[in-house]
Amino acid sequence: GAGVSQSPRYKVAKRGQDVALRCDPISGHVSLFWYQQALGQGPEFLTYFQNEAQLDKSGLPSDRFFAERPEGSVSTLKIQRTQQEDSAVYLCASSLPVNSPLHFGNGTRLTVT
Amino acid sequence: AQSVTQLDSHVSVSEGTPVLLRCNYSSSYSPSLFWYVQHPNKGLQLLLKYTSAATLVKGINGFEAEFKKSETSFHLTKPSAHMSDAAEYFCVVSDGVYSSASKIIFGSGTRLSIRP
Repeated sequence: GAGVSQSPRYKVAKRGQDVALRCDPISGHVSLFWYQQALGQGPEFLTYFQNEAQLDKSGLPSDRFFAERPEGSVSTLKIQRTQQEDSAVYLCASSLPVNSPLHFGNGTRLTVT
Repeated sequence: AQSVTQLDSHVSVSEGTPVLLRCNYSSSYSPSLFWYVQHPNKGLQLLLKYTSAATLVKGINGFEAEFKKSETSFHLTKPSAHMSDAAEYFCVVSDGVYSSASKIIFGSGTRLSIRP
């Protein structure tokens, strides 16, 4: 497909478990973003990559959150020792550089029990 | 610092009547502004964007928005609502000089409901 693909679509984790969320951006898009969207809220910025370089991680809420994009395409967002407050939809977006519109995936809905 | 305020958390209109979703922004630079739509369990889709060309911007599905610098507004309108327009709408402001991803700011969203 031509769009941004995220997996899994839904994830249920017990508190304290580690999770890994995957994002396949649109081919050729150098910019990749992760957002967290809590219920009833707008997306909140987590981190940004340009190719394989993580240029901005100022939105990551704690050191339990880690993101990587080792070859400049697929990205993984990892959350260690999940907490209930981590429950949210995690959105990935990709774009061409320089103020281009973001293309979003359908998100991964994480529920921590 | 940039910010964006969506003035209504919920708007309800009858099918066939006009839609107005309000957005005000603040930005230190000439901003780029966007409207995105999110249908239930779907990803965010770009409706339209303003990037300092024409102040009246036309988007998909009959939506348009007007950039008014004097009012720092970028309201979204549609002349005639359709049932399929029911969704969550987000106004987004981006630093005109793209220097940091964290300067792409989303509003809190407006839920649009359409009455038959």
